[in-house]
Amino acid sequence: DADVTQTPRNRITKTGKRIMLECSQTKGHDRMYWYRQDPGLGLQLIYYSFDVKDINKGEISDGYSVSRQAQAKFSLSLESAIPNQTALYFCATSSGANVLTFGAGSRLTVL
Amino acid sequence: AQSVTQPDIHITVSEGASLELRCNYSYGATPYLFWYVQSPGQGLQLLLKYFSGDTLVQGIKGFEAEFKRSQSSFNLRKPSVHWSDAAEYFCAVGASDSWGKFQFGAGTQVVVTP
Repeated sequence: DADVTQTPRNRITKTGKRIMLECSQTKGHDRMYWYRQDPGLGLQLIYYSFDVKDINKGEISDGYSVSRQAQAKFSLSLESAIPNQTALYFCATSSGANVLTFGAGSRLTVL
Repeated sequence: AQSVTQPDIHITVSEGASLELRCNYSYGATPYLFWYVQSPGQGLQLLLKYFSGDTLVQGIKGFEAEFKRSQSSFNLRKPSVHWSDAAEYFCAVGASDSWGKFQFGAGTQVVVTP
């Protein structure tokens, strides 16, 4: 099994729908992140969490929310999806070594 | 503020030829630098990192990178490319207190021809 598991891997939805992307990890890392990847833009940080009670906004948090349900689980929600949120979303984890371990990604298409 | 530039959006290289991917960064202090590779349908995998010390760092899959402070660069190299190296490569920069909040470049897509 993968160290960082994202579900769903692919999702097509309509404008205005609520979407949740889930991430779970078996690395035992305290720090978890959600990044968004757009072609030609690289990865941008949406939210990050350094422990269950610590949630922080990243560069592009507008339109997104997160929940850290446990040390191993970090979910990203789009309350009302819009087409420009169509992207590839990555969950990542880190220990104190400043190295990220990424999941395989969740491709979201908003029609 | 940190920033990363990967000047080459797309590179085509023949199998067996050498490869160099460019990365330039902007950062006020000594940066933490990373190269990640993303194969189709996969997440990002760490190739190598530079935190301090020897400016030539070795990574996995036969890759190496050299930190040049005077040029604000951290270019990735491989002497002989294999077809399996076809992927997208990302340079990233952070600080000692970034704790995973890195700035990523836009990526360079590498195509390997027979």
